[in-house]
Order: sequence, then structure tokens, then C-alpha cells
Amino acid sequence: QSALTQPPSASGSPGQSVTISCTGTSSDVGDYDYVSWYQQHPGKAPKLMIYEVNKRPSGVPDRFSGSKSGNTASLTVSGLQAEDEADYYCSSYAGSNNWGVFGGGTKLTVL
Amino acid sequence: QLQLQESGPGLVKPSETLSLTCTVSGGSISSISYYWGWIRQAPGKGLEWIGSIYYSGTTYYNPSLKSRVTISGDTSKNQFSLKLTSVTAADTAVYYCSRGSTVTTGLCAFDIWGQGTMVTVSP
Repeated sequence: QSALTQPPSASGSPGQSVTISCTGTSSDVGDYDYVSWYQQHPGKAPKLMIYEVNKRPSGVPDRFSGSKSGNTASLTVSGLQAEDEADYYCSSYAGSNNWGVFGGGTKLTVL
Repeated sequence: QLQLQESGPGLVKPSETLSLTCTVSGGSISSISYYWGWIRQAPGKGLEWIGSIYYSGTTYYNPSLKSRVTISGDTSKNQFSLKLTSVTAADTAVYYCSRGSTVTTGLCAFDIWGQGTMVTVSP
């Protein structure tokens, strides 16, 4: 079971938009619409930001959006704010044999 | 408001068994549609899914850890537990317990997390 591939870093200025990619395979991201995204601030537990590719839990700002094309999922953060600076992880269901897999994480810096 | 709390030894010797418990309050581990998970994070590293247990007791494990992992539930205490055998320094990490719902968040999406507990493997 290989981890999903994310860029190690991303950045943007306040007010701008930034997109983080998450590349898997036809056995996980490409085969199921069960991609989720988490935000993690230093020393804190992860927070679910997106589930089922593009759905937001209650309380998550609509500045956060998700999408998927083929084996690659993406998280877009629009109207960047200082508090968006954090690590972001993607995750995908990978079938009954592997069940779950995470990406390596992307550190988002707000310039 | 459902809350999760991890508990267990913070220090484990190499080759021994790491045992952690997650106590669930404000909800039942046997509620239909819920699944529960253990995720860990080594210092300075990313998240790693360890395994999950459904309300029915069905379990799924990370293939890379499967031979050493057991996750079980205790409905009488409203807890679920993790056992990881033959630990090495590579198992040093913050261990999180978490909850997802097949109805509200779909598969492999954890919306409620414990605060995490640091476990160090050292002689």
C-alpha cells in the first residue's frame, strides 16, 4: 500500500487561491469517490475539511473546495487567510483489502 | 458532543507490545454507521492510517502493519483498543483515535479526533 503523492509545499499571498494536488492510483483515488482532506496546525489533531471529494463538514468555510480528475484529487483554498497556514493531508478509501491510505502532506505557507 | 480520549503508556520497550485505549464519551461505539480508527504520526512526519473497526466489529488493517496490529472494541466500557506487537523505534509516534460515519462522512473520513498521545519506544 503506497502513500498518496502530494507536493511537500505550497504557498500563496493573502487573498489569493492555491491548489494542492493528491495523486493516487486506479485502486484508490481513481476508483472511489471517497477522497478526504485534513488540515493540521502544529501540535494539534487533524481537522476534516473535505470528504467524498467535494463535500464540506458543517463549519468549514466555503473557501475550501475539493475536486477529482482520474487518479488525482485537488484541494483549492480561495481567498487565503493567515490562519490557513497549516499542513494539509489527503486520504482515500482503497477498497476492502487496503481500506485507507494517506498522502505525505503539504505544508501551506501564507506569504 | 462526542469526544474521544486516548490513554496508555507513554514509553514502551523495544520488542514489547504497545497497548492503547480510546474512551468514547457522548456517543456509543456500537451505533450503526460509525467506524473507528487509529492513525499515527511519527515526529516531523505525515499521517499513517493503522486500522479501523466498524460498529459491527469488522476490522481493517494497514497491510504494512497487519501482522502486528489488533484493534478491538469493548461495548460495555464504550472503548476501542489498539495493540501493536514487537515494537521498534520506528513505532515512536503520536497515536490518534478517531471516528467516521458511513452516513455523514462516507468511507475513510474521520470527523472527530482525540487529542493524541505520544508513545516513545526506547529501552
